[in-house]
Amino acid sequence: SQQGEEDPQALSIQEGENATMNCSYKTSINNLQWYRQNSGRGLVHLILIRSNEREKHSGRLRVTLDTSKKSSSLLITASRAADTASYFCATDKAAGNKLTFGGGTRVLVKP
Amino acid sequence: DAGVIQSPRHEVTEMGQEVTLRCKPISGHDYLFWYRQTMMRGLELLIYFNNNVPIDDSGMPEDRFSAKMPNASFSTLKIQPSEPRDSAVYFCASRPDRGETQYFGPGTRLLVL
Repeated sequence: SQQGEEDPQALSIQEGENATMNCSYKTSINNLQWYRQNSGRGLVHLILIRSNEREKHSGRLRVTLDTSKKSSSLLITASRAADTASYFCATDKAAGNKLTFGGGTRVLVKP
Repeated sequence: DAGVIQSPRHEVTEMGQEVTLRCKPISGHDYLFWYRQTMMRGLELLIYFNNNVPIDDSGMPEDRFSAKMPNASFSTLKIQPSEPRDSAVYFCASRPDRGETQYFGPGTRLLVL
């Protein structure tokens, strides 16, 4: 079964708007990671946040983690058409062994 | 670095045939992972290796699936006999020993008729 569940399943926004997606998980984690998948391609790692961190930034990406609620959010600011992709959260219970992926959020950025 | 290499990129076969998927991890990476992605079940971990040794194969769906890693630069995932429900995209990923993020290959899109 999937550890992470993502919300919404799909998101459509205009270029320049912000995109926010959420991930909830069930058990304690060592870290949570976000990956992007362009259509027909493999997954690409975006950002990792550890269980003792609350917020992390990387370029136009902002990730938050609330371990008390077992949830994380990914914010993409000033979206571009090239951000059109599926975004997956993945939880790592034990620092680098198995990742358990959520179902993903499909993001469409309209030019 | 060429990244994780998978072959073939596309495979169409008939039910009952043997299918072999291949993966070359990034040089120096000690961990190799095989995933399956379908619309219904999402991305599932099938098996992973550390230093060529299978560590966890609990995700392998049934005995028809087998995976090997004869050396640090090559792994195979074999399905024998294949069934239509095996149709999916199969990804290989690798990571270095001290890393936590995984590097994915482009995937093999398998269609079993």
